[in-house]
Amino acid sequence: GQNIDQPTEMTATEGAIVQINCTYQTSGFNGLFWYQQHAGEAPTFLSYNVLDGLEEKGRFSSFLSRSKGYSYLLLKELQMKDSASYLCAVRDERAAGNKLTFGGGTRVLVKP
Amino acid sequence: NAGVTQTPKFRILKIGQSMTLQCAQDMNHNYMYWYRQDPGMGLKLIYYSVGAGITDKGEVPNGYNVSRSTTEDFPLRLELAAPSQTSVYFCASSTPDRHSGNTIYFGEGSWLTVV
Repeated sequence: GQNIDQPTEMTATEGAIVQINCTYQTSGFNGLFWYQQHAGEAPTFLSYNVLDGLEEKGRFSSFLSRSKGYSYLLLKELQMKDSASYLCAVRDERAAGNKLTFGGGTRVLVKP
Repeated sequence: NAGVTQTPKFRILKIGQSMTLQCAQDMNHNYMYWYRQDPGMGLKLIYYSVGAGITDKGEVPNGYNVSRSTTEDFPLRLELAAPSQTSVYFCASSTPDRHSGNTIYFGEGSWLTVV
């Protein structure tokens, strides 16, 4: 089985940086995903890591350490529109159908 | 650019009623999924399908049924609605793509309340 942990809620100021941590335990690892979900909307894909290291996409970066079962999503130059939930999800290498297991999500509130 | 389309968007059911949530995708994806999301929680997998004619249970399949007669459609059936099935339901699809990591794309969600 899989166990994914991430903080429930974080608050940050507009223009600042926020780091959302995700730890996971899985019997076999084949990729970690971050999704953004605004209230009342569907999750949308942000990033994908399968090898150790940092993936950067504009203001968003995602880091993975497979040996530590750890990832983080870094949001820089925060904007009000970044207020949303951020979901960490892991794919097991033996999962049929490319299934993802999701963490509970981290709600980020950006204040002026 | 339809992507994954779900209907209805909102529905109120009485306890014991039945209904079907419709899902269709136009991206020719092999894999399709139904997730549910309770308030303030993550997504739980109900059922998934790896292709037409093939379905399998996820984490929380009890109280639901699915079918996959075509590549495009993956309806979710609730036979005897219970208050515990009050949730937001997301249909999703994906296809093997090494560069994107087989990204899963979600429909807009269906808000279901059982009273």
